[in-house]
Amino acid sequence: AQSVAQPEDQVNVAEGNPLTVKCTYSVSGNPYLFWYVQYPNRGLQFLLKYITGDNLVKGSYGFEAEFNKSQTSFHLKKPSALVSDSALYFCAVRDRRGGATNKLIFGTGTLLAVQP
Amino acid sequence: DAGVIQSPRHEVTEMGQEVTLRCKPISGHDYLFWYRQTMMRGLELLIYFNNNVPIDDSGMPEDRFSAKMPNASFSTLKIQPSEPRDSAVYFCASGGWVGGGGYEQYFGPGTRLTVT
Repeated sequence: AQSVAQPEDQVNVAEGNPLTVKCTYSVSGNPYLFWYVQYPNRGLQFLLKYITGDNLVKGSYGFEAEFNKSQTSFHLKKPSALVSDSALYFCAVRDRRGGATNKLIFGTGTLLAVQP
Repeated sequence: DAGVIQSPRHEVTEMGQEVTLRCKPISGHDYLFWYRQTMMRGLELLIYFNNNVPIDDSGMPEDRFSAKMPNASFSTLKIQPSEPRDSAVYFCASGGWVGGGGYEQYFGPGTRLTVT
């Protein structure tokens, strides 16, 4: 089955500290992975994606994600958190069922709270 | 590009009324998705189109919901008759291939629907 799991409903971190938002996936074949961020009362914004190549992907707003095939993970990271990073973060994987489609399967979201 | 455009941004209606949500995808994108987001159910995919053709409508909750895409630059999601449990934020997203970078999907700002 194709799926994405975000094991933490909420992550709390102090401003200036590094942050990690976890994501694990289950797909057949090579994964095509995404991270999105949703600020209050806004739509989801694309942060970054992994297709192939370098396991460390850099994205918007200083975020990066590390693809780990052996652990089937794609954790989102940032070296130094800002209060303005507080938002809801979604991991997603491209659905490979029925051939190549561009439908994304989203995780349940992780609320990141950065304390000043 | 102005991004994905949705209208209206807010809609308040009475139970039993017809509601029509509108979406203009990013020019050149060949995929269009309608999602619904609620606190209880999270983000749900309702239906998606490829080249204006509906591909998967298995997420449409009931026959009261219908979606059309008459051309590449316009789609509607209609609820008739509306019910209070339809209250949610409805997102439209469009997806396409970026030069040398694979596939990306972008969301609109959403329509907040309240059915009283």
